Amino acid sequence: SSELTQDPAVSVALGQTVRITCQGDSLRRYYASWYQQKPGQAPILVIFAQNSRPSGIPDRFSGSTSGNTASLIITGARAEDEGDYYCHSRDSSGNHQVFGAGTRVTVL
Amino acid sequence: QVQLVQSGAEVKKPGSSVKVSCKASGAKFTTYEISWVRQAPGQGLEWMGGVIPVFGTPKYAQKFQGRVTVTTDESTNTAYMELNSLRSEDTAVYYCARGLVKWFGELASHYLDSWGQGTLVAVSS
Repeated sequence: SSELTQDPAVSVALGQTVRITCQGDSLRRYYASWYQQKPGQAPILVIFAQNSRPSGIPDRFSGSTSGNTASLIITGARAEDEGDYYCHSRDSSGNHQVFGAGTRVTVL
Repeated sequence: QVQLVQSGAEVKKPGSSVKVSCKASGAKFTTYEISWVRQAPGQGLEWMGGVIPVFGTPKYAQKFQGRVTVTTDESTNTAYMELNSLRSEDTAVYYCARGLVKWFGELASHYLDSWGQGTLVAVSS
């Protein structure tokens, strides 16, 4: 399958922890990467290579993988973490790329 | 880190074509992949295609096969995405992004570490 499945939305209380998941067969071969997008802005990379963060991304963002499921974890969510989060990977053939449909995170 | 600067917004008629450019600075893009991703209003991200200039053979999502062409000009460090036979459903923001790959044994991480600012293409009669 070339699809990545995400929950449409999740909410988290300020300062609490939220896990966003992404399921797909290709995740058994390729690590997911994760992108944060805020309204009117281009996506930015927050996690790659399972649990690596680009320079400038806070350490409250982390990632993990188990079987065909990748997770993005935000520990101690802040108001500025609200936005849409997309997982991304190669498809099972390795020739194409695929995005999940995105998860909207609301910080209460 | 590379910076990607895209061309400006376009308004097109149905049936016409659009060509969006993406100029890279800060690094030569010869050996890494340039991907094109679009986002329709209120929708998610959709991969359209990509190319590694040194290899030269682009890959396209099946949905766009035959309608999209991705090219690069290494002399100017610029990538292009041309979409033909435009229809209203092609109204979207189009992004270019640099793709990198790292291997960890048998597992690979493919990720898009730098993105252009996006180009709005509006298709309307």
